[in-house]
Amino acid sequence: DAMVIQNPRYQVTQFGKPVTLSCSQTLNHNVMYWYQQKSSQAPKLLFHYYDKDFNNEADTPDNFQSRRPNTSFCFLDIRSPGLGDAAMYLCATSKRDDTQYFGPGTRLTVL
Amino acid sequence: QKEVEQNSGPLSVPEGAIASLNCTYSDRGSQSFFWYRQYSGKSPELIMFIYSNGDKEDGRFTAQLNKASQYVSLLIRDSQPSDSATYLCAVKDTDKLIFGTGTRLQVFP
Repeated sequence: DAMVIQNPRYQVTQFGKPVTLSCSQTLNHNVMYWYQQKSSQAPKLLFHYYDKDFNNEADTPDNFQSRRPNTSFCFLDIRSPGLGDAAMYLCATSKRDDTQYFGPGTRLTVL
Repeated sequence: QKEVEQNSGPLSVPEGAIASLNCTYSDRGSQSFFWYRQYSGKSPELIMFIYSNGDKEDGRFTAQLNKASQYVSLLIRDSQPSDSATYLCAVKDTDKLIFGTGTRLQVFP
């Protein structure tokens, strides 16, 4: 089945220790998104790629970076995680101007 | 700043009743609207999308759109305990979605 896959599903890191979250998709969608969602809050868009064009939200901290080496894969790098970065990180994909489909998410814990 | 507003709830309804979830949006030019369901600890799952004024039905779910009033709603008929979740309204803005904070629905037996 075509799908959006996120790895790992649960990630525990230490304060300040870099972490990378991955997302892959078999839908051949040209847009990929990274969201951060904290408890009882709406998903907050961090950035998205339209093909290789990177679009950063104005309020996304510099601590968050992203890479998209090919159509299928996208990575979220958190360079120095703080306690406030503990959240669910959601990857989504879509065709341009079409519906977004979410992966299962990665729950990040920062100790 | 484009905004999407939802009552956070919880909205409590008995099993078998109709649950009505509401959403308003600020951008009059918005064209595409989505409802996602999110169970606790899980990712959002698309329930319905609607682009045209009026009603759109899919099984027990009906989405209603009124662009003049900038209002979109989701009706769930014959509510089941398994419908208990947070329902996120989202409005498309170019390549992005603007989400409301969600309404928590509780269906009790």
